[in-house]
Amino acid sequence: DADVTQTPRNRITKTGKRIMLECSQTKGHDRMYWYRQDPGLGLRLIYYSFDVKDINKGEISDGYSVSRQAQAKFSLSLESAIPNQTALYFCATRQREGPYNEQFFGPGTRLTVL
Amino acid sequence: AQSVSQHNHHVILSEAASLELGCNYSYGGTVNLFWYVQYPGQHLQLLLKYFSGDPLVKGIKGFEAEFIKSKFSFNLRKPSVQWSDTAEYFCAVPYNFNKFYFGSGTKLNVKP
Repeated sequence: DADVTQTPRNRITKTGKRIMLECSQTKGHDRMYWYRQDPGLGLRLIYYSFDVKDINKGEISDGYSVSRQAQAKFSLSLESAIPNQTALYFCATRQREGPYNEQFFGPGTRLTVL
Repeated sequence: AQSVSQHNHHVILSEAASLELGCNYSYGGTVNLFWYVQYPGQHLQLLLKYFSGDPLVKGIKGFEAEFIKSKFSFNLRKPSVQWSDTAEYFCAVPYNFNKFYFGSGTKLNVKP
């Protein structure tokens, strides 16, 4: 079973619609992250969370919101989707201790906003 | 602000050729450095990482990287690439133990 799962895997929606992307993990990690990937731009951090009560903005948080419902769940919402939010979205987790700990990524959600 | 630069955006090689992908970072303090690989249609996976000690780090699938502090670089190398190495490669630097900054990625295309 995958350690980090994302739903849905693909989504096509229309401008103005509200969208929620979900992420669940079974790794027991405290830290969770949401990134978007665009061609030629790499991964850019949207939000990150250290625990249920600690949520922080990343580089490109405008137009997005998040919810950490439990240690294992971290959801990303687009309140009113726009076409330039079309991208591949990744969730990642990381163990709390140790600066050398890597991130573990989910399979990604491909979002298309028409 | 922290930044990570990957200057090779797209590299095309024939099988058995040697590979070197560049990565430069801007952070001047203690650094930990990571290389991730994304195979077509898949999520990112860790290739190798450096946090202290020997600046030459060996990772999976025959990859290695060398940390050169004076050059702020962490270049990825492989002596002989295979078709299965076709993927996108990302360099990443954690900043302040919390956020990761990723480079823009290098797409490697290995011709059989």
